[in-house]
Amino acid sequence: RKEVEQDPGPFNVPEGATVAFNCTYSNSASQSFFWYRQDCRKEPKLLMSVYSSGNEDGRFTAQLNRASQYISLLIRDSKLSDSATYLCAVTLTGGGNKLTFGTGTQLKVEL
Amino acid sequence: EAGVVQSPRYKIIEKKQPVAFWCNPISGHNTLYWYRQNLGQGPELLIRYENEEAVDDSQLPKDRFSAERLKGVDSTLKIQPAELGDSAVYLCASSLYGRPDAQYFGPGTRLLVL
Repeated sequence: RKEVEQDPGPFNVPEGATVAFNCTYSNSASQSFFWYRQDCRKEPKLLMSVYSSGNEDGRFTAQLNRASQYISLLIRDSKLSDSATYLCAVTLTGGGNKLTFGTGTQLKVEL
Repeated sequence: EAGVVQSPRYKIIEKKQPVAFWCNPISGHNTLYWYRQNLGQGPELLIRYENEEAVDDSQLPKDRFSAERLKGVDSTLKIQPAELGDSAVYLCASSLYGRPDAQYFGPGTRLLVL
């Protein structure tokens, strides 16, 4: 079983839709959680960290469920510019700053 | 402020040839990472440096891959000899110590081995 798993998609949604991605992790010692955005042929860029209490940044909401070992990303009012691959990443307690990434979920927002 | 710089951006080589990638991290970032990203996959860590010390190289295929960060600033990743399966994007990232949430990635080197 992979340490971090994501549905690769693609998720094709109309502009204005709400879309949610989940990411599961296998190691209960996972400590920190992140969502990255990666545009085609570009480097990953941090979208947001995921906190235990959940956090929101504009149209983006991230949540953590430690009991079920998953994190989620909700995008409201999707824009064409949201089209990208969304990667989740985790670090392990005692693992230093090593990020373990999922395979990414591809989102395509259409007119 | 300049971001993480990598060169070359693209490299095409024949199998069994050597290749080297260079990375200059953000000024003041003492932690440097090399990741490999295969098509359709997330980045996978190859090696992590704290200053000039390699503190995590467990994922580095040491029979053909080597890396150095001699003065604790820029770094070089080498493959010798390259194999077809090494075709991937090699990403460098840097951060301040203890800040996994603040890893900044360079644009990557896209390697194609023929």
